[in-house]
Amino acid sequence: KQEVTQIPAALSVPEGENLVLNCSFTDSAIYNLQWFRQDPGKGLTSLLLIQSSQREQTSGRLNASLDKSSGRSTLYIAASQPGDSATYLCAVPHEYGNKLVFGAGTILRVKS
Amino acid sequence: DTAVSQTPKYLVTQMGNDKSIKCEQNLGHDTMYWYKQDSKKFLKIMFSYNNKELIINETVPNRFSPKSPDKAHLNLHINSLELGDSAVYFCASSQVFRDNEQFFGPGTRLTVL
Repeated sequence: KQEVTQIPAALSVPEGENLVLNCSFTDSAIYNLQWFRQDPGKGLTSLLLIQSSQREQTSGRLNASLDKSSGRSTLYIAASQPGDSATYLCAVPHEYGNKLVFGAGTILRVKS
Repeated sequence: DTAVSQTPKYLVTQMGNDKSIKCEQNLGHDTMYWYKQDSKKFLKIMFSYNNKELIINETVPNRFSPKSPDKAHLNLHINSLELGDSAVYFCASSQVFRDNEQFFGPGTRLTVL
């Protein structure tokens, strides 16, 4: 059974800091991993999708890495801004079907 | 705008009532999903439909019945609502035989009184 864990559960940093969010999964037989952002009371916005054959993906100030063999992914946010404050979720497809198994999320607060 | 849309955004109702949530995607995707986010913000799959056919039913009570009239729509009907059904329900879609990146709707916040 696939389980996804995210560390830390919450993070508060001053503006401008670089930060790393961690995601681990128990079953390494995944074909991709997706990072999302959720603002309070809003839906999920897809940030990055990494295929199992890739080691990292970049979008602007965001960089996500994937180490399938060790069951880990990290989301690196460079030069954090108050607008980055949100909950960040990682998710992997379950072995059966295409459902996503989500971590509990990391609540990020960037202080100005 | 290309997107996944849901209606209504908020739904407040009494226990025992029957209600429906609608979802539409205009991304041309072949697979649609319903997820439930509980009070602890944990997201879990409920159903998945591929080309109008049910492919995942994740031990959801029979009171929940999804219906997919076509590839672009996946509606969720809930009978005999209970207090524990209060949650945010998210619809999502993806193209399975491409990268299967899932795109989510804005959510429907259901409150059962």
